Amino acid sequence: DIQMTQSPSSLSASVGDRVTITCRASQSINNYLNWYQQKPGKAPKLLIYAASSLQSGVPSRFSGSGSGTDFTLTISSLQPEDFATYYCQQSYSTLLTFGGGTKVEIK
Amino acid sequence: QLQLQESGPGLVKPSETLSLSCTVSGGSISSSSYYWGWIRQPPGKGLEWIGTMYYTGSTYYNPSLKSRVTISVDTSKNQFSLKLTSVTAADTAVYYCARLGQQLQDAFDIWGQGTMVTVSS
Repeated sequence: DIQMTQSPSSLSASVGDRVTITCRASQSINNYLNWYQQKPGKAPKLLIYAASSLQSGVPSRFSGSGSGTDFTLTISSLQPEDFATYYCQQSYSTLLTFGGGTKVEIK
Repeated sequence: QLQLQESGPGLVKPSETLSLSCTVSGGSISSSSYYWGWIRQPPGKGLEWIGTMYYTGSTYYNPSLKSRVTISVDTSKNQFSLKLTSVTAADTAVYYCARLGQQLQDAFDIWGQGTMVTVSS
């Protein structure tokens, strides 16, 4: 199995801050990396696919980068509605795996 | 607009079989562009992929659950289903069905609202 490790597991930030979340794969996955946002009691929402492609309807303050084993999700200016948990997911293998999640909290 | 809706019992007894269905509306489950999957989330924990299937019936399962999981499709009802046998309290979770888009490099782009399943006697 391909293991996905996210860091940090949680962070506190203020509205307007630039936030960066990291996801590392246990082996190279090229750019087969997707990012999701989940709010309490809701299903996850796709933000970024193929490491850096913005899903339709997602605000441009979200961006993704990386290739191989190291990937980053960046929120350029944190908004009140962005406080949530973020997950990465690899789709390089047919045996899919998610990262453990990063909870973004209000400072 | 395509929507997914999970259905099934909210309470299952230990050692019994968990059975859920996902009804696809607003589109066809037989589209060649998509796979369909199940993901679960224990209370307060992260997401765990359970398995994925193609409308032709080919399936891929999480190795940790493979011996207990079956995902199947009923194209006539535009549904796909999950069966998980010999459940324990560790299988208590919110279960989501989702669409996996090949054109999105196999990302889950549409999700059901999720259904809570509790394993308890």
